Amino acid sequence: GQQVMQIPQYQHVQEGEDFTTYCNSSTTLSNIQWYKQRPGGHPVFLIQLVKSGEVKKQKRLTFQFGEAKKNSSLHITATQTTDVGTYFCAGDETDSWGKLQFGAGTQVVVTP
Amino acid sequence: NAGVTQTPKFRILKIGQSMTLQCTQDMNHNYMYWYRQDPGMGLKLIYYSVGAGITDKGEVPNGYNVSRSTTEDFPLRLELAAPSQTSVYFCASTPQQGRPSTEASVVSQPQHFGDGTRLSIL
Repeated sequence: GQQVMQIPQYQHVQEGEDFTTYCNSSTTLSNIQWYKQRPGGHPVFLIQLVKSGEVKKQKRLTFQFGEAKKNSSLHITATQTTDVGTYFCAGDETDSWGKLQFGAGTQVVVTP
Repeated sequence: NAGVTQTPKFRILKIGQSMTLQCTQDMNHNYMYWYRQDPGMGLKLIYYSVGAGITDKGEVPNGYNVSRSTTEDFPLRLELAAPSQTSVYFCASTPQQGRPSTEASVVSQPQHFGDGTRLSIL
């Protein structure tokens, strides 16, 4: 079955630095969604990418969907302490929507 | 709108006890889901429902049961609690229909999560 993997599992970042986290699927995805979970909180939807090669930005966050629709990335510039949390990617297999497969997440720790 | 509401927020159970985790949503969403999240791990799907009266197993259904008698409510039942079921449980919902896409016939809509139930079994 479909597997969604995220790397790295942990990311320690100095405040002000940039970093990228990656999401890779064993099968082609119809779409990729990104969620953020603050410590002790629940996952909150950030963005959805549908088109091959699509790039979307939310302030300091840049999301990209791969050309083959099997991978995605989240790039954060000028990291702030408010970026602390775990970032999950999730996707549907092509023609099989309604049941997202979540990655294990990238836990981001920011040091001032 | 309250969104997705889960009760209780915390619970400690003894091995062998049973309990029901409650989940209700006021957004008229047809799709509802139960996930468990173990420390430092991602979300594993336990059960899901595409509408009242319809439920189906997810990735890790053993030891759990669900029912969906109304659109709003989707309770999760633990019959014989075991230490391996210590986890944080999240309920989520999405609208009935997927979102049409130019790239695919239909794609899932974003999921709305409740605050979770932190369950410890000792």
